[in-house]
Amino acid sequence: EAQVTQNPRYLITVTGKKLTVTCSQNMNHEYMSWYRQDPGLGLRQIYYSMNVEVTDKGDVPEGYKVSRKEKRNFPLILESPSPNQTSLYFCASGWGTGANEQFFGPGTRLTVL
Amino acid sequence: AQSVTQPDIHITVSEGASLELRCNYSYGATPYLFWYVQSPGQGLQLLLKYFSGDTLVQGIKGFEAEFKRSQSSFNLRKPSVHWSDAAEYFCAVGTTSGTYKYIFGTGTRLKVLA
Repeated sequence: EAQVTQNPRYLITVTGKKLTVTCSQNMNHEYMSWYRQDPGLGLRQIYYSMNVEVTDKGDVPEGYKVSRKEKRNFPLILESPSPNQTSLYFCASGWGTGANEQFFGPGTRLTVL
Repeated sequence: AQSVTQPDIHITVSEGASLELRCNYSYGATPYLFWYVQSPGQGLQLLLKYFSGDTLVQGIKGFEAEFKRSQSSFNLRKPSVHWSDAAEYFCAVGTTSGTYKYIFGTGTRLKVLA
Protein backbone atom coordinates (compact mmCIF):
# COMPACT_ATOMS: atom_id res chain seq x y z
CA GLU A 1 0.00 0.00 0.00
CA ALA A 2 1.33 3.43 -0.97
CA GLN A 3 1.72 5.47 2.16
CA VAL A 4 3.61 7.98 4.27
CA THR A 5 4.33 6.77 7.77
CA GLN A 6 5.32 8.80 10.80
CA ASN A 7 6.57 7.71 14.18
CA PRO A 8 5.74 8.24 16.90
CA ARG A 9 2.11 9.26 16.51
CA TYR A 10 2.00 10.81 19.96
CA LEU A 11 4.84 12.13 22.05
CA ILE A 12 5.02 13.98 25.34
CA THR A 13 8.44 15.27 26.28
CA VAL A 14 10.14 17.92 28.39
CA THR A 15 11.89 21.11 27.43
CA GLY A 16 15.40 20.58 26.11
CA LYS A 17 15.26 16.83 25.55
CA LYS A 18 16.31 16.10 21.99
CA LEU A 19 13.83 14.15 19.89
CA THR A 20 13.42 12.84 16.37
CA VAL A 21 10.20 12.23 14.48
CA THR A 22 10.67 9.81 11.64
CA CYS A 23 8.96 9.97 8.26
CA SER A 24 9.11 7.36 5.55
CA GLN A 25 7.41 7.02 2.16
CA ASN A 26 7.23 4.04 -0.19
CA MET A 27 6.22 5.86 -3.37
CA ASN A 28 9.72 6.82 -4.58
CA HIS A 29 8.81 10.49 -4.32
CA GLU A 30 11.51 13.09 -4.79
CA TYR A 31 9.85 15.80 -2.72
CA MET A 32 9.31 15.49 1.02
CA SER A 33 8.22 18.09 3.50
CA TRP A 34 7.36 18.76 7.13
CA TYR A 35 4.51 20.94 8.37
CA ARG A 36 3.16 21.99 11.69
CA GLN A 37 -0.52 22.60 12.23
CA ASP A 38 -1.72 24.99 14.90
CA PRO A 39 -5.29 26.19 15.54
CA GLY A 40 -6.11 29.26 13.52
CA LEU A 41 -2.81 29.15 11.65
CA GLY A 42 -3.41 26.31 9.22
CA LEU A 43 -0.39 24.31 8.09
CA ARG A 44 2.97 25.98 7.96
CA GLN A 45 5.91 24.46 6.15
CA ILE A 46 8.99 23.82 8.27
CA TYR A 47 11.45 22.30 5.80
CA TYR A 48 11.29 20.61 2.46
CA SER A 49 13.58 18.42 0.42
CA MET A 50 13.63 18.11 -3.33
CA ASN A 51 15.84 15.04 -3.32
CA VAL A 52 18.56 13.24 -1.41
CA GLU A 53 20.94 15.70 0.27
CA VAL A 54 18.87 18.68 -0.98
CA THR A 55 16.91 20.49 1.71
CA ASP A 56 15.62 24.02 2.13
CA LYS A 57 13.79 26.09 4.69
CA GLY A 58 10.09 26.59 4.68
CA ASP A 59 8.38 29.43 6.49
CA VAL A 60 8.98 28.31 10.10
CA PRO A 61 12.34 26.49 10.28
CA GLU A 62 13.61 27.93 13.57
CA GLY A 63 14.26 25.24 16.18
CA TYR A 64 14.13 22.35 13.72
CA LYS A 65 16.62 20.33 11.71
CA VAL A 66 16.16 17.82 8.92
CA SER A 67 18.29 15.47 6.88
CA ARG A 68 17.69 13.50 3.68
CA LYS A 69 20.25 10.75 3.45
CA GLU A 70 17.93 8.30 1.72
CA LYS A 71 15.15 9.02 -0.71
CA ARG A 72 12.46 7.34 1.36
CA ASN A 73 13.26 8.92 4.76
CA PHE A 74 13.04 12.50 6.00
CA PRO A 75 13.39 12.75 9.79
CA LEU A 76 12.54 15.90 11.73
CA ILE A 77 14.89 16.70 14.60
CA LEU A 78 14.17 18.98 17.53
CA GLU A 79 17.52 19.39 19.27
CA SER A 80 16.20 21.40 22.21
CA PRO A 81 12.41 21.38 22.18
CA SER A 82 10.49 24.23 23.77
CA PRO A 83 6.82 24.52 24.72
CA ASN A 84 6.09 26.69 21.66
CA GLN A 85 6.88 23.64 19.53
CA THR A 86 3.86 21.84 20.94
CA SER A 87 1.88 21.15 17.80
CA LEU A 88 0.54 18.61 15.33
CA TYR A 89 3.19 17.69 12.79
CA PHE A 90 2.63 16.28 9.33
CA CYS A 91 5.09 14.78 6.91
CA ALA A 92 4.21 14.75 3.22
CA SER A 93 5.74 13.57 -0.03
CA GLY A 94 5.15 14.17 -3.73
CA TRP A 95 6.64 13.77 -7.18
CA GLY A 96 8.99 16.22 -8.78
CA THR A 97 9.54 19.69 -7.47
CA GLY A 98 6.74 19.61 -4.96
CA ALA A 99 4.44 21.91 -6.83
CA ASN A 100 2.51 18.71 -7.38
CA GLU A 101 0.02 16.95 -5.19
CA GLN A 102 1.35 15.93 -1.81
CA PHE A 103 0.53 12.79 0.10
CA PHE A 104 0.28 13.27 3.83
CA GLY A 105 1.16 11.07 6.74
CA PRO A 106 -1.23 10.57 9.66
CA GLY A 107 0.38 13.21 11.86
CA THR A 108 2.40 13.29 15.08
CA ARG A 109 0.98 15.10 18.07
CA LEU A 110 3.85 16.54 20.10
CA THR A 111 3.55 18.06 23.55
CA VAL A 112 6.55 19.78 25.09
CA LEU A 113 6.22 20.44 28.83
CA ALA B 1 5.44 37.82 -0.15
CA GLN B 2 3.48 34.74 -1.10
CA SER B 3 0.31 34.14 0.86
CA VAL B 4 -3.00 32.36 0.80
CA THR B 5 -6.12 33.81 2.40
CA GLN B 6 -9.23 31.91 3.33
CA PRO B 7 -11.51 34.63 4.68
CA ASP B 8 -14.13 32.33 6.19
CA ILE B 9 -13.02 30.52 9.34
CA HIS B 10 -16.33 28.71 9.80
CA ILE B 11 -19.18 28.01 7.39
CA THR B 12 -22.44 26.26 8.20
CA VAL B 13 -24.74 24.95 5.49
CA SER B 14 -27.75 22.67 5.42
CA GLU B 15 -27.46 19.27 3.83
CA GLY B 16 -28.41 19.52 0.16
CA ALA B 17 -27.52 23.20 -0.08
CA SER B 18 -24.79 24.53 -2.34
CA LEU B 19 -21.38 25.45 -1.02
CA GLU B 20 -18.68 27.91 -1.96
CA LEU B 21 -15.42 28.25 -0.04
CA ARG B 22 -13.29 31.23 -0.86
CA CYS B 23 -9.55 31.30 -1.46
CA ASN B 24 -7.38 34.22 -2.53
CA TYR B 25 -3.67 33.99 -3.16
CA SER B 26 -0.76 36.33 -3.60
CA TYR B 27 2.04 35.03 -5.79
CA GLY B 28 3.96 36.76 -8.54
CA ALA B 29 4.46 33.82 -10.88
CA THR B 30 2.05 31.24 -12.24
CA PRO B 31 0.55 29.52 -9.23
CA TYR B 32 -0.05 25.84 -8.78
CA LEU B 33 -3.24 25.70 -6.73
CA PHE B 34 -4.72 22.99 -4.57
CA TRP B 35 -7.63 22.25 -2.30
CA TYR B 36 -7.23 19.67 0.48
CA VAL B 37 -9.72 18.30 2.96
CA GLN B 38 -9.00 17.19 6.51
CA SER B 39 -11.57 15.10 8.33
CA PRO B 40 -11.44 15.13 12.14
CA GLY B 41 -8.35 13.39 13.44
CA GLN B 42 -7.11 12.60 9.95
CA GLY B 43 -4.39 13.70 7.59
CA LEU B 44 -5.03 15.74 4.48
CA GLN B 45 -6.47 14.46 1.24
CA LEU B 46 -6.28 16.21 -2.11
CA LEU B 47 -9.63 17.30 -3.54
CA LEU B 48 -8.40 18.92 -6.73
CA LYS B 49 -5.56 20.88 -8.30
CA TYR B 50 -4.97 23.48 -10.97
CA PHE B 51 -1.76 23.80 -12.93
CA SER B 52 -2.83 25.26 -16.28
CA GLY B 53 -5.46 24.97 -18.98
CA ASP B 54 -9.17 24.93 -18.29
CA THR B 55 -9.85 27.26 -15.39
CA LEU B 56 -12.71 25.11 -14.07
CA VAL B 57 -11.33 21.93 -12.55
CA GLN B 58 -13.20 18.92 -11.26
CA GLY B 59 -12.16 16.98 -8.23
CA ILE B 60 -13.22 14.09 -6.11
CA LYS B 61 -16.44 13.84 -4.10
CA GLY B 62 -18.29 16.14 -6.50
CA PHE B 63 -16.18 19.23 -5.82
CA GLU B 64 -15.04 21.74 -8.40
CA ALA B 65 -13.00 24.92 -8.32
CA GLU B 66 -12.57 27.87 -10.62
CA PHE B 67 -9.32 29.73 -11.14
CA LYS B 68 -9.75 33.44 -11.78
CA ARG B 69 -6.41 35.08 -12.47
CA SER B 70 -7.84 38.60 -12.50
CA GLN B 71 -9.19 38.13 -8.98
CA SER B 72 -6.32 35.95 -7.70
CA SER B 73 -8.95 33.51 -6.54
CA PHE B 74 -9.48 29.76 -6.56
CA ASN B 75 -12.88 29.17 -4.96
CA LEU B 76 -14.15 25.69 -4.18
CA ARG B 77 -17.75 24.77 -4.93
CA LYS B 78 -20.15 21.89 -4.53
CA PRO B 79 -23.74 22.00 -5.77
CA SER B 80 -25.23 19.82 -3.04
CA VAL B 81 -23.50 19.22 0.27
CA HIS B 82 -23.69 15.88 2.09
CA TRP B 83 -23.36 15.42 5.85
CA SER B 84 -20.07 13.56 5.25
CA ASP B 85 -18.56 16.75 3.79
CA ALA B 86 -18.22 18.22 7.28
CA ALA B 87 -14.47 18.75 7.63
CA GLU B 88 -11.81 21.40 7.41
CA TYR B 89 -10.79 22.62 3.97
CA PHE B 90 -7.44 24.07 3.05
CA CYS B 91 -6.41 26.00 -0.02
CA ALA B 92 -2.72 25.86 -0.94
CA VAL B 93 -0.24 27.33 -3.40
CA GLY B 94 2.83 25.53 -4.69
CA THR B 95 5.59 27.93 -5.62
CA THR B 96 7.72 27.17 -8.64
CA SER B 97 10.01 30.13 -9.14
CA GLY B 98 13.24 30.05 -7.17
CA THR B 99 11.84 28.18 -4.22
CA TYR B 100 9.57 25.19 -4.07
CA LYS B 101 7.52 25.93 -1.00
CA TYR B 102 3.99 24.95 -0.27
CA ILE B 103 1.85 27.64 1.34
CA PHE B 104 -1.44 26.82 2.99
CA GLY B 105 -4.32 29.03 3.97
CA THR B 106 -5.61 28.97 7.53
CA GLY B 107 -8.50 26.72 6.65
CA THR B 108 -12.30 26.84 6.62
CA ARG B 109 -14.22 24.54 8.91
CA LEU B 110 -17.46 23.33 7.36
CA LYS B 111 -20.41 22.28 9.45
CA VAL B 112 -23.36 20.55 7.79
CA LEU B 113 -26.82 20.68 9.34
CA ALA B 114 -29.11 17.72 8.84
